[in-house]
Amino acid sequence: GDSVTQMEGPVTLSEEAFLTINCTYTATGYPSLFWYVQYPGEGLQLLLKATKADDKGSNKGFEATYRKETTSFHLEKGSVQVSDSAVYFCALSDLSNYQLIWGAGTKLIIKP
Amino acid sequence: NAGVTQTPKFQVLKTGQSMTLQCAQDMNHEYMSWYRQDPGMGLRLIHYSVGAGITDQGEVPNGYNVSRSTTEDFPLRLLSAAPSQTSVYFCASRAAGGEVNEQFFGPGTRLTVL
Repeated sequence: GDSVTQMEGPVTLSEEAFLTINCTYTATGYPSLFWYVQYPGEGLQLLLKATKADDKGSNKGFEATYRKETTSFHLEKGSVQVSDSAVYFCALSDLSNYQLIWGAGTKLIIKP
Repeated sequence: NAGVTQTPKFQVLKTGQSMTLQCAQDMNHEYMSWYRQDPGMGLRLIHYSVGAGITDQGEVPNGYNVSRSTTEDFPLRLLSAAPSQTSVYFCASRAAGGEVNEQFFGPGTRLTVL
């Protein structure tokens, strides 16, 4: 079945560092891909999405490009802030039942 | 708009006890879902509903019951809690015409079963 694999955390960076969180997937067909963020004590929020190959999703300085050839959707940000500390989830849409399939999440810790 | 609300925020149960996790949304969304989140794993779908009176099983339904008597409410029942049900539970909702990613999540319920 379809699946999503994310790099294990926690990822600890200093403020203004460059961020990459890896996400790869296996899927039949051409799913849409998503990044969600979960701030401490809150529910998940959609951060960005891409619906077809070579699409780039972006929001709040974060970017991710849908790479069909490498089945990847890595999350990047050029300069992280302490407020970016959260858990980040990669997900894809299951085309058979329109539900989301989730990665395990990556905890990001940004130190001032 | 309160969005998606969940109660309680925290709960400790003993093995064999029963309880209901409450979920409510005020956005008139047709679709509602329950997920559990365990360390090292992504969210897993427990049950979902596409409208009042209609429910279906997700990936991990065993040990849980749901009902959907109104559009607003979607409670999750644990009839006989087990330590394996220790987890964080999230409720989500979305409009029927919305895309799968346009789900709104509640803040979660952290459940510990001793």
